[in-house]
Amino acid sequence: GAGVSQSPRYKVAKRGQDVALRCDPISGHVSLFWYQQALGQGPEFLTYFQNEAQLDKSGLPSDRFFAERPEGSVSTLKIQRTQQEDSAVYLCASSLGDGSSTDTQYFGPGTRLTVL
Amino acid sequence: DQQVKQNSPSLSVQEGRISILNCDYTNSMFDYFLWYKKYPAEGPTFLISISSIKDKNEDGRFTVFLNKSAKHLSLHIVPSQPGDSAVYFCAASRNQFYFGTGTSLTVIP
Repeated sequence: GAGVSQSPRYKVAKRGQDVALRCDPISGHVSLFWYQQALGQGPEFLTYFQNEAQLDKSGLPSDRFFAERPEGSVSTLKIQRTQQEDSAVYLCASSLGDGSSTDTQYFGPGTRLTVL
Repeated sequence: DQQVKQNSPSLSVQEGRISILNCDYTNSMFDYFLWYKKYPAEGPTFLISISSIKDKNEDGRFTVFLNKSAKHLSLHIVPSQPGDSAVYFCAASRNQFYFGTGTSLTVIP
């Protein structure tokens, strides 16, 4: 079925490089979320979009992290001047409704970022 | 500060027996709780949820119990099957989701 897809699945970057991670949500899903999952940890919230509007970016760890969803569908998470501590799996999730607690989130497989 | 905690990193259970996965939380304002299941190289998949106004929700072999006074959540799987072997994350929600660190369940045939 057409679930959430993410690309690339794996990305190796040298420290200081910029990276862009892509998320294709389920068609018609209004809400989109980005999470960061460090090794041995649970997913941690980064940011949330409702259509093209970024309603919450409180989880972005620094101003090197930037996310956009210009047409309310595909989203890109950009990390500038990557650091070793950025190494993690970046998960994208989408939901049909307004992203409230009861609105089931469907996750993509994630992008594993390794910064050398 | 970890608001949702899963203190058991791993659990092994014999096929057919009950699996009990536990989760504790600190924020009494959480109003919704969920369990997700994750296989290797895949994203988490929603399993079951419970509202803070309830103390039990059942879906087939899966039952979630909520004890608000103890700020404790548990997932029961009965009977356990080898296909249930995965990492289970609990999550709590109040405007955004907070996940635990996961428990790796192994069901031994």
